[in-house]
Amino acid sequence: EDQVTQSPEALRLQEGESSSLNCSYTVSGLRGLFWYRQDPGKGPEFLFTLYSAGEEKEKERLKATLTKKESFLHITAPKPEDSATYLCAVYHFSGNTPLVFGKGTRLSVIA
Amino acid sequence: EAGVAQSPRYKIIEKRQSVAFWCNPISGHATLYWYQQILGQGPKLLIQFQNNGVVDDSQLPKDRFSAERLKGVDSTLKIQPAKLEDSAVYLCASSPQPWDIQYFGAGTRLSVL
Repeated sequence: EDQVTQSPEALRLQEGESSSLNCSYTVSGLRGLFWYRQDPGKGPEFLFTLYSAGEEKEKERLKATLTKKESFLHITAPKPEDSATYLCAVYHFSGNTPLVFGKGTRLSVIA
Repeated sequence: EAGVAQSPRYKIIEKRQSVAFWCNPISGHATLYWYQQILGQGPKLLIQFQNNGVVDDSQLPKDRFSAERLKGVDSTLKIQPAKLEDSAVYLCASSPQPWDIQYFGAGTRLSVL
């Protein structure tokens, strides 16, 4: 069964303390991997799309990378405003399948 | 550019009552999605429309949930009768075409008592 697993479930960082979030997936043929940010009481906000192994994308303090089995979201020198839940989701090529989300990583950045 | 609009933002009902949610997608987006997000979980797709036709409703509990997208624009999701386990946030999203980036509304938080 296709699955998206995110780790850790929760992460607490001091301001400026860099770290990485992990998203591992088991799908038969990846069509695309998406990272979203979700703040409390809001809908997910799109961050990045990755399509092939080796691809990297950056936005401010965030950098997303992709291998054949997992993706990492690197957060460099985080600030309190980076606190949110980060969701990973995948599309695969088998038929008309939906976007499958992981459970997310809840990030707290303490000043 | 206006985002995805949803209403209401919050709804509290008793079990066995009915409830409806409304969604207005981003202008020009052909694909519309309804998701259910239970606390601590990622969103789970309930139904996907392409224009005003249903593409995927395999995870929609059809004995109690229904959805329509009239004229390929606005959409409504209905639950009748509601159960306690339907308490969740219902998110609407839209994209230009399938497999494109999905843009989400703020969601409707439903509490079934």
